Amino acid sequence: QQQVKQSPQSLIVQKGGISIINCAYENTAFDYFPWYQQFPGKGPALLIAIRPDVSEKKEGRFTISFNKSAKQFSLHIMDSQPGDSATYFCAARFIGFKTIFGAGTRLFVKA
Amino acid sequence: DVKVTQSSRYLVKRTGEKVFLECVQDMDHENMFWYRQDPGLGLRLIYFSYDVKMKEKGDIPEGYSVSREKKERFSLILESASTNQTSMYLCASSHGTLFFGSGTQLSVL
Repeated sequence: QQQVKQSPQSLIVQKGGISIINCAYENTAFDYFPWYQQFPGKGPALLIAIRPDVSEKKEGRFTISFNKSAKQFSLHIMDSQPGDSATYFCAARFIGFKTIFGAGTRLFVKA
Repeated sequence: DVKVTQSSRYLVKRTGEKVFLECVQDMDHENMFWYRQDPGLGLRLIYFSYDVKMKEKGDIPEGYSVSREKKERFSLILESASTNQTSMYLCASSHGTLFFGSGTQLSVL
């Protein structure tokens, strides 16, 4: 049973465009929602994260939007660059430390 | 910088072999995790440990066991490797945020 559903599976965006990845969760016991970025041959690395009492968090070109009532959150990458091409995972952490991941989105930014 | 080191980048084993995957972290984190990564399925939690000699099953523990004799080291054991255990295995340590190693690509033939 997948507790965090992520879409799309893959995404192609023109350089300078906006990349949007969506996630939905079911369990209200989650208390922390991170996004991880993974380049080929590397392990995932934390990109940005949000807590459920906040509706939006922005760090540079990356923004998380969080809708607690709908149990949905999304990652927006503004002015997407070829260097952003990677696999992105949304995740949700239970109170404590067990983290559940979405299936991942492979982003390709065309130059 | 936090460093999580996995002992092998690539590993090829035969069906039925006992396989050990080793992971070491240098940040004195209490929590350590083993995930496997498969295309279209994301990262799935196999086992985790919140202290030395303590372990908890994750979502897919069948066919695996773990060992944590020292705080910095967390080992994943495949008791009798099968072809459906061919996967990328990722170790992580955490004090809140997960820090991952570079992974071990295991092929079971």
